[in-house]
Amino acid sequence: NAGVTQTPKFQVLKTGQSMTLQCAQDMNHEYMSWYRQDPGMGLRLIHYSVGAGITDQGEVPNGYNVSRSTTEDFPLRLLSAAPSQTSVYFCASRGLASYNEQFFGPGTRLTVL
Amino acid sequence: AQSVTQLGSHVSVSEGALVLLRCNYSSSVPPYLFWYVQYPNQGLQLLLKYTTGATLVKGINGFEAEFKKSETSFHLTKPSAHMSDAAEYFCAVSLMTTDSWGKLQFGAGTQVVVTP
Repeated sequence: NAGVTQTPKFQVLKTGQSMTLQCAQDMNHEYMSWYRQDPGMGLRLIHYSVGAGITDQGEVPNGYNVSRSTTEDFPLRLLSAAPSQTSVYFCASRGLASYNEQFFGPGTRLTVL
Repeated sequence: AQSVTQLGSHVSVSEGALVLLRCNYSSSVPPYLFWYVQYPNQGLQLLLKYTTGATLVKGINGFEAEFKKSETSFHLTKPSAHMSDAAEYFCAVSLMTTDSWGKLQFGAGTQVVVTP
C-alpha cells in the first residue's frame, strides 16, 4: 500500500493564481481531510469528507474548495491564491470511527508570492 | 467545542534523561486523545492514543501517556531520551460523538531537542 500520497511536494504561486493540490489514498478510508500547518499554530482543519459526494468545512475553509467524487481522491483547490495561504498542507485519511488513527501524507509546501 | 493546550513550544532534554511533554484539553464530552510525532519534512505519525479502558497507554518508540480525567491531562513521557526522539510532537483530541465525525483538534506542538 502506498498509503496517503500528495502532489506536488513543492509549489510556488503568484497572487491570484489558482491550483489544485492532489491527495489520494489506497486504504479504502471513508474519512479524508485537509489541514494546513503554520508555525506555532499546530494543524488546522480546512475541509473534510466522510465519503464520496459528502464534504464539509473545517476551522479555516475560506479560500479553499474541495470535492470528493471517489473514495480514493480528495483534491484541494485554491481558486485565487493569496500570500496568507503560504503554508504546508497535509492530507489525511482514516476509517470512519472517531477513534481510528489518521494517516497523513508527506505534505505540500506552498509559497504564494 | 474542544481545545488543546500544549505547555512549552520548545523542550530541550539531555540524551538519557526523562522526556515529559504536557497536554491539557477541554471537552464537554468524553474525548479520544492522541499524540502524533512529526520528523523534519515529513507528515505526522501516530505515537499512541487513548480511547477507553486503561488510562496508561503505551505507544511506539518507548513513549507512554496517562489519561487523567480529573486533571483533563494527557501528558507524554519517555524514561530515557534518544537522539532520534528529536522531532515535533502534537497532542490532539476528538470527540466521541457521531455528529462531530471525529474531527481532530490539535495543540500548537512542542519541538523537542535532544542534546548529547
